[in-house]
Amino acid sequence: DAGVTQSPTHLIKTRGQQVTLRCSPISGHKSVSWYQQVLGQGPQFIFQYYEKEERGRGNFPDRFSARQFPNYSSELNVNALLLGDSALYLCASSFGFFMGNQPQHFGDGTRLSIL
Amino acid sequence: DQQVKQNSPSLSVQEGRISILNCDYTNSMFDYFLWYKKYPAEGPTFLISISSIKDKNEDGRFTVFLNKSAKHLSLHIVPSQPGDSAVYFCAASQRSNDYKLSFGAGTTVTVRA
Repeated sequence: DAGVTQSPTHLIKTRGQQVTLRCSPISGHKSVSWYQQVLGQGPQFIFQYYEKEERGRGNFPDRFSARQFPNYSSELNVNALLLGDSALYLCASSFGFFMGNQPQHFGDGTRLSIL
Repeated sequence: DQQVKQNSPSLSVQEGRISILNCDYTNSMFDYFLWYKKYPAEGPTFLISISSIKDKNEDGRFTVFLNKSAKHLSLHIVPSQPGDSAVYFCAASQRSNDYKLSFGAGTTVTVRA
């Protein structure tokens, strides 16, 4: 079975632009979470979506938004890009609503560079 | 505010010996603690978890110890193998905060032959 897949792998944007990152969870998984990992730091939680509803949001500005589709895939959108948005964006899936005690399966991430 | 801290950015250990990774936290309300392993250019992989009501959990070569009074947990890898060379992240979640995972900054482990 395929793992969590993210696209694109790498992306270069300029300040002020908008970007959409995509994630396909493991088949049968209904929860998708998004994380931002800046170089030298651990991943920071952005969103969790479960059954197409937002079920948790981290400390990120409203420029960050996401949605989950009926097939449980998800998109992360970032508007008005800033240099500080340069990071590895990770998507993780779990079968049910992630309750902290079971494994989340991570994709390999999208590397976003802002010039 | 960094609630989960891994104060050792790197650890070097000889193959066959024990690796001990440490993690401190400030939030006494955390319910679960997890360890993830990350190879370059790959996403993190779940290793082992522990509930806040336990003090030890074991899975093969990996054992996690939790000391709630000290707000400290550790991951023991015995014996260390070359394939264990990776970045290890400690993470914690809290039921009353929608189980959002808080990660430490990671510890890079290098296993020497």
